[in-house]
Amino acid sequence: AQTVTQSQPEMSVQEAETVTLSCTYDTSENNYYLFWYKQPPSRQMILVIRQEAYKQQNATENRFSVNFQKAAKSFSLKISDSQLGDTAMYFCALVKNTGNQFYFGTGTSLTVIP
Amino acid sequence: ETGVTQTPRHLVMGMTNKKSLKCEQHLGHNAMYWYKQSAKKPLELMFVYSLEERVENNSVPSRFSPECPNSSHLFLHLHTLQPEDSALYLCASSQDWGGFAYEQYFGPGTRLTVT
Repeated sequence: AQTVTQSQPEMSVQEAETVTLSCTYDTSENNYYLFWYKQPPSRQMILVIRQEAYKQQNATENRFSVNFQKAAKSFSLKISDSQLGDTAMYFCALVKNTGNQFYFGTGTSLTVIP
Repeated sequence: ETGVTQTPRHLVMGMTNKKSLKCEQHLGHNAMYWYKQSAKKPLELMFVYSLEERVENNSVPSRFSPECPNSSHLFLHLHTLQPEDSALYLCASSQDWGGFAYEQYFGPGTRLTVT
């Protein structure tokens, strides 16, 4: 079974500061993928960043980067230079290499304070 | 944000009503999904269709009935729901199902309230 845990239900950050959202997971698979999705208030969920487990290099996407620690089964998201538009729910998800079933965490609600 | 659309956006229904949720994707994808999103719980995958065939059915009560008439449309038929079925229902699509972790594209959701 796959499980994803996001231990921070709510977080806040000052505009222009850096914030890190945590995610841990459990899987017996060796090949899998990890995703961070963002769900702004009353808007669609969109992909922020993805990481292939077989790649050691951490993925980056503009102001978003991850710290992927495979042995520790940890996949945190760092948002640099936070902007008001980053206010959203953030979901961490794991996907096995077979099938396309996403296993989501419970989400972290991030508020960027002006 | 118009790749996956859902109607209606809000729905209030009584426990004896029958209603349907509609999802349409304009991305040319082959796989479509229904999720249930409740507060403080992980998204729950309900159904998966690949090339119009159901490939996953995660122990969902029979009061939820999916239908996929073609690869662009997905319906969720609702009947005799319970108050605990109140939630945000999300539709998603992906290029394919199986063998690779394809990004899923989500619709805006239908906020369902069962009274």
